[in-house]
Amino acid sequence: QKEVEQNSGPLSVPEGAIASLNCTYSDRVSQSFFWYRQYSGKSPELIMSIYSNGDKEDGRFTAQLNKASQYVSLLIRDSQPSDSATYLCAADGGSQGNLIFGKGTKLSVKP
Amino acid sequence: DTAVSQTPKYLVTQMGNDKSIKCEQNLGHDTMYWYKQDSKKFLKIMFSYNNKELIINETVPNRFSPKSPDKAHLNLHINSLELGDSAVYFCASSQDQGSYYGYTFGSGTRLTVV
Repeated sequence: QKEVEQNSGPLSVPEGAIASLNCTYSDRVSQSFFWYRQYSGKSPELIMSIYSNGDKEDGRFTAQLNKASQYVSLLIRDSQPSDSATYLCAADGGSQGNLIFGKGTKLSVKP
Repeated sequence: DTAVSQTPKYLVTQMGNDKSIKCEQNLGHDTMYWYKQDSKKFLKIMFSYNNKELIINETVPNRFSPKSPDKAHLNLHINSLELGDSAVYFCASSQDQGSYYGYTFGSGTRLTVV
């Protein structure tokens, strides 16, 4: 059974701090990894994708991938109250093509 | 211009009824999916279609039947609704079958069975 594991949180950080979200995946075949943000009552929104080992930066967001450790992380710099949401980590499920999601980490950024 | 649209957004119905949820995407994507999100926010795949062909059919009760009349539409019909079917159902689409580019999600349908 392919799995993606995340700490459910809640993770609480003060405004302006760095929020660090972590995720591990079980299937070494997975090649594509994604972070989605989901506000309460809304649909998941893709914020980062990463395919190669190392860091990928996009504005205040940095995704990190370590395939040897089967580990993916998301750093949010200068966290804002508007970043408060549930963050879902996802990995591709291999040949069938579906994404496997973690259970999400709820982030709360306090003003 | 909504990319992936689902209707209805909310659905409240009694146990035993039959209901349908419709999904349409205007992105030109080849693959569409149905996911179920439970009360703990866990998103689980139910079905996927690639160009009208069923690719994934996870272990869901056979009361759930997807239909894809063309590659832009994927509907979900549910027979004999049960209390445990209450959840948010998301339709999604991807550019390719391999999910390399990730998904675009619809706005979701909150189903409440009473």
